[in-house]
Amino acid sequence: GAVVSQHPSRVICKSGTSVKIECRSLDFQATTMFWYRQFPKKSLMLMATSNEGSKATYEQGVEKDKFLINHASLTLSTLTVTSAHPEDSSFYICSARVRRQVDTEAFFGQGTRLTVV
Amino acid sequence: EDKVVQSPLSLVVHEGDTVTLNCSYEVTNFRSLLWYKQEKKAPTFLFMLTSSGIEKKSGRLSSILDKKELFSILNITATQTGDSAIYLCAITSGGSNYKLTFGKGTLLTVNP
Repeated sequence: GAVVSQHPSRVICKSGTSVKIECRSLDFQATTMFWYRQFPKKSLMLMATSNEGSKATYEQGVEKDKFLINHASLTLSTLTVTSAHPEDSSFYICSARVRRQVDTEAFFGQGTRLTVV
Repeated sequence: EDKVVQSPLSLVVHEGDTVTLNCSYEVTNFRSLLWYKQEKKAPTFLFMLTSSGIEKKSGRLSSILDKKELFSILNITATQTGDSAIYLCAITSGGSNYKLTFGKGTLLTVNP
């Protein structure tokens, strides 16, 4: 299957700082990328959907000024957690898919464990 | 709002048992239903279903979709300890983003 690389896999930061997480599709062009947040033993909660070259669509309850998403190219999307707080500590995971008329599966990055201290 | 409900939420079986995991959904403009297996980190893709009644099979795993009843099942036969994982069901709905909405998952534990 296609490869999605997410970096970093783990990050610890201080409250008030910003953290950037990268999601790259290595061997395909991802027209759409999704960002999820996952709490321990819980399912994936969709935060936002980004399409290359346009603004991200955020799910209800997700602060767009806090979770900045940029999808500047067909192979890279970034999620920046701004002014991080301990409650932002979580597992963040991206997925990417190619939009076609016929659906394709979404491929996932390995996730980023964010700890805010 | 799109909704995906998985059951059971958790299941403990012995090696060799057969299990059936359930996924029901409510969605406007359904496009496809996907099953993923999540062990420690990233979910790995298992199946994508778009048509009713056509079984997809991969080794000991199989899945089928019923678009009339808005339901899918994932079967695992002759379970092994390596099958222990969270199994996630997701649907793709139409619209401009084709977003993927996940259920809460079923935590499967296979004991030796």
